[in-house]
Amino acid sequence: GDSVVQTEGQVLPSEGDSLIVNCSYETTQYPSLFWYVQYPGEGPQLHLKAMKANDKGRNKGFEAMYRKETTSFHLEKDSVQESDSAVYFCALIDQGGKLIFGQGTELSVKP
Amino acid sequence: DTAVSQTPKYLVTQMGNDKSIKCEQNLGHDTMYWYKQDSKKFLKIMFSYNNKELIINETVPNRFSPKSPDKAHLNLHINSLELGDSAVYFCASSQDPGGDYTFGSGTRLTVV
Repeated sequence: GDSVVQTEGQVLPSEGDSLIVNCSYETTQYPSLFWYVQYPGEGPQLHLKAMKANDKGRNKGFEAMYRKETTSFHLEKDSVQESDSAVYFCALIDQGGKLIFGQGTELSVKP
Repeated sequence: DTAVSQTPKYLVTQMGNDKSIKCEQNLGHDTMYWYKQDSKKFLKIMFSYNNKELIINETVPNRFSPKSPDKAHLNLHINSLELGDSAVYFCASSQDPGGDYTFGSGTRLTVV
């Protein structure tokens, strides 16, 4: 079945550092791709999305490019802030309409 | 005005008990879901309903029974609770299967 892999469980940049959070996916189709963000005590919320290959999702300085050739959707930001600290989930929608999540990456930005 | 609301927010109960979690959405969405988030924060779908009809039923013990009285509500009843059922349960909705999901704030279930 379809799957999503995030290789980092936790990243600990300092404020002002650049960020890349890796996401790879496996699928036999052409799904929409998502990043969801979860703050403590809350549910995941949609952060950004890309509907097809070579689309770029953007939100609050974060970007992710849908790369079909490398089956990746890495989350990037030039300069992180302490307020960006949260858990970030990469996800795809499978053919049955299920949102399938990666394992999540906890971003803790040091002031 | 909360879009997807779940009650209760916290639930502590003993092994063997039966409990229910309620979910309501005021977004006019046709599809609702239950997800389970384990202690490592992994999110996995349990069930999905579209217009009161069950469309996704993952490999979940039959002690878990969802019920959708109308398309704005999806409740989750759990019989004979076990220690391993302790988790955070999230309700979500989308306009249609595959649309953008809106999640509730979760119900933290602790079985002792």
